[in-house]
Amino acid sequence: SQTIHQWPATLVQPVGSPLSLECTVEGTSNPNLYWYRQAAGRGLQLLFYSVGIGQISSEVPQNLSASRPQDRQFILSSKKLLLSDSGFYLCAARVSLNTEAFFGQGTRLTVV
Amino acid sequence: EDQVTQSPEALRLQEGESSSLNCSYTVSGLRGLFWYRQDPGKGPEFLFTLYSAGEEKEKERLKATLTKKESFLHITAPKPEDSATYLCAPENDYKLSFGAGTTVTVRA
Repeated sequence: SQTIHQWPATLVQPVGSPLSLECTVEGTSNPNLYWYRQAAGRGLQLLFYSVGIGQISSEVPQNLSASRPQDRQFILSSKKLLLSDSGFYLCAARVSLNTEAFFGQGTRLTVV
Repeated sequence: EDQVTQSPEALRLQEGESSSLNCSYTVSGLRGLFWYRQDPGKGPEFLFTLYSAGEEKEKERLKATLTKKESFLHITAPKPEDSATYLCAPENDYKLSFGAGTTVTVRA
């Protein structure tokens, strides 16, 4: 079965500091990968998705970037965090289109 | 632009009190509609996929149905362990567009 490892579980960072969140997938090859952000009381907002190594599509202009250096590794980064970057970040993967996405357990980021 | 609206935002039920959740969507070229359950502080957990109008899926006390504009999640005789936020996500191309969810609380 497929699993996603996402870390850290919680993170408190000062405004202006850099960010790196990592997600790795096990149990499948060449997955479609996604980064979502969930604000309190709101739905999941798609930030980035990737259909292959080095292929990144951005959904929302923002202070964040994503990279996919390996087939099953997806990284979310920022050079300088803003207060508005606070939220619950979720990594997701799909084996192929028309299949369900499975999610990691998320990272709760608080920018102070 | 794709839009997904879930109602109600919150639902408080007595154990055994059946109810339905609504997911209305405007998505061009719908490829499928997904339902997820999310517990506080956790990632969403997959429940169902529906692909065409008229389709139904069941799992324990949950049943999902799909029309051309809406999907419903019916909870029959809920138990306290059914308390969670339920998310729907229609798919267009590569992307799942999530609604804000319905938070269900079932009291014993």
